[in-house]
Amino acid sequence: DGGITQSPKYLFRKEGQNVTLSCEQNLNHDAMYWYRQDPGQGLRLIYYSQIVNDFQKGDIAEGYSVSREKKESFPLTVTSAQKNPTAFYLCASSHDREGYNEQFFGPGTRLTVL
Amino acid sequence: QKEVEQNSGPLSVPEGAIASLNCTYSDRGSQSFFWYRQYSGKSPELIMSIYSNGDKEDGRFTAQLNKASQYVSLLIRDSQPSDSATYLCAVEWQPNAGKSTFGDGTTLTVKP
Repeated sequence: DGGITQSPKYLFRKEGQNVTLSCEQNLNHDAMYWYRQDPGQGLRLIYYSQIVNDFQKGDIAEGYSVSREKKESFPLTVTSAQKNPTAFYLCASSHDREGYNEQFFGPGTRLTVL
Repeated sequence: QKEVEQNSGPLSVPEGAIASLNCTYSDRGSQSFFWYRQYSGKSPELIMSIYSNGDKEDGRFTAQLNKASQYVSLLIRDSQPSDSATYLCAVEWQPNAGKSTFGDGTTLTVKP
């Protein structure tokens, strides 16, 4: 089955720790995205990547880092510099053809800071 | 800052009625528009995309785009309790921008 997987489903972090969220896709999509969603809010873009070994900051990149070493994988690290990281994190991918940015989402990771 | 605005709701309709969800956007030159459905605690799923002025129908869903007035709407006919969810509007500001901006969503409740 083609799709996007995210792990873990739930993650608990102590203050001051870095944690890495995994995102893998087998849809052969070029573009991948990371969003953050807070309760009752929409999606805010953290980082996105249109091609391997290249990525751009979104609207709320501070305190986060990413890498894109393989087409299939786009891990997100939440660093200790992110002061309020408790949220629902969503990874998405798309073909990124001109004008057709239909995005498909993974199941998400819920991060809680203890 | 380019913006996508949605009425947060909640919007409540009786089963079998037509639900109408609206979205306005700030950039007149925007090209691509998407509607996603998000059930509580789940991730969004794409239900409609529209790129040209006018209506696009898919089953019980119709997306309507009016670029001159800068709004896009989603109509759900014969609403079912299973349609109860939050509906997110997304706009890609320019072709091949590689990213979309999402509204905060409208919560729809369909009452049996």
